[in-house]
Formats: sequence, C-alpha cells, structure tokens
Amino acid sequence: AQSVTQLDSHVSVSEGTPVLLRCNYSSSYSPSLFWYVQHPNKGLQLLLKYTSAATLVKGINGFEAEFKKSETSFHLTKPSAHMSDAAEYFCVVSDDGNNRLAFGKGNQVVVIP
Amino acid sequence: ETGVTQSPTHLIKTRGQQVTLRCSSQSGHNTVSWYQQALGQGPQFIFQYYREEENGRGNFPPRFSGLQFPNYSSELNVNALELDDSALYLCASSSRTSGGYEQYFGPGTRLTVT
Repeated sequence: AQSVTQLDSHVSVSEGTPVLLRCNYSSSYSPSLFWYVQHPNKGLQLLLKYTSAATLVKGINGFEAEFKKSETSFHLTKPSAHMSDAAEYFCVVSDDGNNRLAFGKGNQVVVIP
Repeated sequence: ETGVTQSPTHLIKTRGQQVTLRCSSQSGHNTVSWYQQALGQGPQFIFQYYREEENGRGNFPPRFSGLQFPNYSSELNVNALELDDSALYLCASSSRTSGGYEQYFGPGTRLTVT
C-alpha cells in the first residue's frame, strides 16, 4: 500500500530564508510523486511532479524537489521564502496504475516578515 | 480552456439527510476522482470514474456513491449523512495517457452536517 509521511505539521520561516519540507514515502512499485499547495479557500494546485525521469524536479514559483530512492524521500525546497508562500503543502504518492492519489497530512507554512 | 468546477460551494445538511455534489471536469478529461478532506487533514480518496464506470474505490462505506455522465461530469451522492461527513469534498479531473497523468482539482464543496 502506498503512503506518505510529512513531519512538522506547522513550519515557520522568515521571509527571504530557505524553505525545506520533508516527505518520506512508502510504495510497493515505482511511484509517481507530487507536491500540491493549497491556499486558504482555494483548490489544490500542482507545484511539481516526479514520474521516473530526472530525479531533481523543478516546479512553479521557484520550488524544487529531489527524488531519492535509497532514502524513499521527496523533500521540497525553495531558496528564499516569499510572503505569498504561506499556505498548506501536501506531498502525494501514486503507484497503483490508476493514479489513485495518497496524500500526506500536510505542512502548514507560515512566513514571518 | 475551462478548469474544474464544483457546485455548490457550501452546503449545510442535517444528520440522516442525503446530499448530491456536482463536478464538471476540465475540457478533454475523461476521468474524475473524488476526495474527502476533513479539517486539518490531507484529502482521502473516495472513488474514481473513468468513462462512466467506477474505477477504484477507497475505504468509504457504500452510502457514498457516484455517477459519471457521457460528458464526463460527475456526481457524488452521500446517503444517511453523519456528523463525521462534514468536510471539504474535492473533485479532480484527468486524462489518461500512457505513462501517467496529472489531476486537476476543483475548488471544492464545503459540507457541514449538523
């Protein structure tokens, strides 16, 4: 069964400092991995995805993530946080061939001016 | 290109009642998935419809049912509502291609059961 673990349910970062959100996955097969962002009262937006191509994936708004199979990790990073990055971030895995998505519990990111 | 839309935006129902939520998929997409997001939690997969047939189901009881229409829009029906059904219900559409595909989410329907 596929699953995702996101530690640190709440993350506070100062504006202009790096953002690191950790994600570890469990999967029986070669997984597809995603990061989605959810702003208050808005739908989920895809930030980036890994589907067995390059292990370093670049997404929108300066975010990137690296797939490490040996560590079963897919951590999300951004060099410099912006106030508009305040939102909830979900790490997601899919490996069942039908693209059934399994979400982590999310990281609530607060950006301090 | 029109994105995924859901209706209604908000809904308040009483325990024991029935509810129908609607989703219009993005143009060109033939697959719709439904998710339940309880407060403070990540979305949980309910079921998926592909070409009008159910194509996978999560750990939800049979009182959660769905339909997909020839135009690929979809409905989620919940019977005998319980207080724990209060959540944000998300619809996502996608188009199957070889090698996987992305899901595009609608804004959701906030259901409150009292």
